[in-house]
Amino acid sequence: DQQVKQNSPSLSVQEGRISILNCDYTNSMFDYFLWYKKYPAEGPTFLISISSIKDKNEDGRFTVFLNKSAKHLSLHIVPSQPGDSAVYFCAASGGNNNDMRFGAGTRLTVKP
Amino acid sequence: NAGVTQTPKFQVLKTGQSMTLLCAQDMNHEYMSWYRQDPGMGLRLIHYSVGAGITDQGEVPNGYNVSRSTTEDFPLRLLSAAPSQTSVYFCASWQGSNQPQHFGDGTRLSIL
Repeated sequence: DQQVKQNSPSLSVQEGRISILNCDYTNSMFDYFLWYKKYPAEGPTFLISISSIKDKNEDGRFTVFLNKSAKHLSLHIVPSQPGDSAVYFCAASGGNNNDMRFGAGTRLTVKP
Repeated sequence: NAGVTQTPKFQVLKTGQSMTLLCAQDMNHEYMSWYRQDPGMGLRLIHYSVGAGITDQGEVPNGYNVSRSTTEDFPLRLLSAAPSQTSVYFCASWQGSNQPQHFGDGTRLSIL
C-alpha cells in the first residue's frame, strides 16, 4: 500500500520561476515529513523537513508547506535554478524513522 | 568526511548465488537502515537497526539478512539471489527520532 504518493512523475519549469512539487499521504499517524533530492548515480540527500506541529518551514529558496487536514505537503523552490534539476522524494514517518515511507519521486527539470 | 559508504557500486549475480552488500558510516549514528529502490516506486525499507546487536524487519525483508556487530557497519546479505531482487540498494544512517537520514550512493544489483 502506497502511504505516500507523488502523483506527478515529472515537472518542467523555466529558470527563475517557481517550482511546486506535491505529495499526499494517507497515514494520519505520520508526524514528520521530509524532502530529499537525488541526482543520478548518487544517494538521496536531505533537503528540508517539517514536523506536524508546524504548517510551514523555510530554508533559503526552499519552503515546505504542510496541510494536515488534507494530508498534503508541498515543496516550493523559488527561484528555480538549473542545478535544481533532480528527482525529489517526499517521505513521512511516525517520528522514529523506522516506519518511514517514501513517495515514488518527481523528476524536476529546470530549463535555462 | 566520508558519511555513508557502500560497496560495491555495481554487481551482477546469477540466480542462487549469495552476496553481501557492505555499508559503513563514520558519523557515530545509532540508527541504520537498508532500502531498495525499484522503477516507479519509492524507497522501501528492508531492515533496520537501532544500535549494535539490534536489528528488525522493515517493509520488504524476505530474502535478506542483516547483522550489526559494530556501530559503524551494517551489511546486507542475500543468501540465494533471485531475479526479483534486481534493484538499487541504499544504506542510510541517522541520529534518532525526527532526524534526517544520510544515504550512501547505492549499490546497483542485477540478478540474471
